Amino acid sequence: DIQMTQSPSSLSASVGDRVTITCRASQGISNYLAWFQQKPGKAPKSLIYAASSLQSGVPSKFSGSGSGTDFTLTISSLQPEDFATYYCQQYNTYPVTFGGGTRVEIK
Amino acid sequence: EAQLLESGGGLVQPGGSLRLSCAASGFIFSTYAMTWVRQAPGKGLEWVSSISAAGSTTYYADSVKGRFTISRDNSKNTLFLQMNSLRAEDTAVYYCAKLRYASTSCLIDYWGQGTLVTVSS
Repeated sequence: DIQMTQSPSSLSASVGDRVTITCRASQGISNYLAWFQQKPGKAPKSLIYAASSLQSGVPSKFSGSGSGTDFTLTISSLQPEDFATYYCQQYNTYPVTFGGGTRVEIK
Repeated sequence: EAQLLESGGGLVQPGGSLRLSCAASGFIFSTYAMTWVRQAPGKGLEWVSSISAAGSTTYYADSVKGRFTISRDNSKNTLFLQMNSLRAEDTAVYYCAKLRYASTSCLIDYWGQGTLVTVSS
């Protein structure tokens, strides 16, 4: 199985900060990488697919990059509604696997 | 926009069975693959199973293989997850999700709100 490792597991940031989350795959997955946002008590929301493509309706402050084994999610200017947990997921091969999550908290 | 509404969760004893349903609307259900993802209390996301648009191809996580069965009724726009021989470690919120394509490439674009399954005596 492909292991997905996210870092950091949590971070504290202020409104207006630029935030970067990394995700590493245990083997190459080309660009078959998605990012999700989850707020407490809510279902996940799809943000990015194919490593860098925004899902419909997702604001451009979210961006993704990477290919192969190393990927990043960047939030350009953190807003109060962005405080949440973020997950990466590889869909290159089954079994599909998720990263452990990165919790973004208010500093 | 796609809408997914899960139902069927609840409290069940270890060894018992439960059938989850996911009613889909807002898209042509029969042309998209679907998947189930679960989340144990306080834990991360875990993929469970996927099914192609026609229902001819299915995939399962090793943790549920042989116990869970995914299926769909395209005439009723509904996805199912039959869960047998339930264990305490199956306790989780179960999310139904729509995949972007007809094939089972597990690219999720929409999620349901989830239904809680609790396995306990």
